Amino acid sequence: QLQLQESGPGLVKPSETLSLTCSVSGGSISSSSYYWGWIRQPPGKGLEWIGSIYYSGSTYYNPSLKSRVTISVDTSMNQFSLKLSSVTAADTAVYYCARASWSSGYLDSWGQGTLVTVSS
Amino acid sequence: EIVLTQSPGTLSLSPGERATLSCRASQSVSSTYLAWYQQKPGQAPRLLIYGASSRATGIPDRFSGSGSGTDFTLTISRLDPEDFAVFYCQHYGSSWTFGQGTKVEIK
Repeated sequence: QLQLQESGPGLVKPSETLSLTCSVSGGSISSSSYYWGWIRQPPGKGLEWIGSIYYSGSTYYNPSLKSRVTISVDTSMNQFSLKLSSVTAADTAVYYCARASWSSGYLDSWGQGTLVTVSS
Repeated sequence: EIVLTQSPGTLSLSPGERATLSCRASQSVSSTYLAWYQQKPGQAPRLLIYGASSRATGIPDRFSGSGSGTDFTLTISRLDPEDFAVFYCQHYGSSWTFGQGTKVEIK
């Protein structure tokens, strides 16, 4: 059974870089059938796609965040990572990693999510 | 960029009733790339429907999806107490887009 687990600091200072890692178990991140993505949800609000990566390293970013986002993949460790630079309080959210079907784009497996708070 | 608009914002119903949730796209989209999710408080979203009408693994048959073009519907035929949650539609195109969500609450 596929499992995804987010890890990283729960508190980040304004203007710094948020860094999270998603560890994948029970399946290979190198599968050609899937993308791997990050989605966030500010407290009490809806879901926002941040970006996705294919095992080859091809990346796709939300245009509204593109200038601040970097997603990378480490196939040897079966994990992928998110970096979001110059964070503000508006970046406070629960951050989820998820697997997406390459052919249809639906997100069929999700991590439990991790709350990241931006505060000094 | 595709914008998904869900309605209503909140649906107040009793267990056993039928729920009909709408998702409207700002332009015509392929049903292949339309999905629905359920999210309960404190939990990650769960895939319910993909390809507009295919149920994900383990999803009860009281959940059904339909629609094409710009108008899509998620129907819950008879609400079970565990079904009360927030529901999101999602489209995959050049990027991934979510609707703003519909909350189904107990009346």
